Amino acid sequence: NIVLTQSPASLAVILGQKATISCTASESVNKFGINLMHWYQQKPGQLPKILIYNEFSRAPGIPARFSGDEAELNFTLTIEPVEADDVATYYCQQGLTFPLTFGSGTKLEIK
Amino acid sequence: EVQLQQSGAELVRPGTSVKLSCKVSGDTITAYYMHFVKQRPGQGLEWIGRIDPEDDSTKYAEKFKNKATLTADTSSNTAYLKLSSLTSEDTATYFCTTSNNYGGYYFDYWGQGVMVTVSS
Repeated sequence: NIVLTQSPASLAVILGQKATISCTASESVNKFGINLMHWYQQKPGQLPKILIYNEFSRAPGIPARFSGDEAELNFTLTIEPVEADDVATYYCQQGLTFPLTFGSGTKLEIK
Repeated sequence: EVQLQQSGAELVRPGTSVKLSCKVSGDTITAYYMHFVKQRPGQGLEWIGRIDPEDDSTKYAEKFKNKATLTADTSSNTAYLKLSSLTSEDTATYFCTTSNNYGGYYFDYWGQGVMVTVSS
């Protein structure tokens, strides 16, 4: 199984500053040159919502403040500038092989 | 607009089974893979498995192979998750969600979630 190690577990960021969340895959999630790594946002008491798919593509309606990147097997979700509405838990997920797997989540708070 | 409507909360006894439904509206269920995801209180997301309603083929995470059964009814555009031999470890919210059926597999539409409480 592909293991996704997500860090940090929690993160406190000043409004307007940058938040960076990391997700390291235990093996490649690349298929035909596309990294099949996806990111979700789950606000307290709500269902998850897709933010980024295929490493860096924003889902419909997602603002440009959210971006995805990759270096080797290390994927990052960046939120800049952070807004109060971004308080949530963020998860990465690989879509290459079954079983599909999630990272353990990063809880973002406002400092 | 595609919407997923899940059945209501369940309070069930240990050792019994429960069957949850997830009805798709706004599109045909055969356009997607249907997945179910588990979230225990205060915990992260855990993929249970997926069904292809086109041919009823299924894939499960190893730990759910003897716990979960996925089925689908194309006539009612509904997917089902049956959980058997319930224990307190099965107390969780269960989400249904869709992905494409050709690769990449990210979850674009989500049901509202169903809370299952296992208690005597």
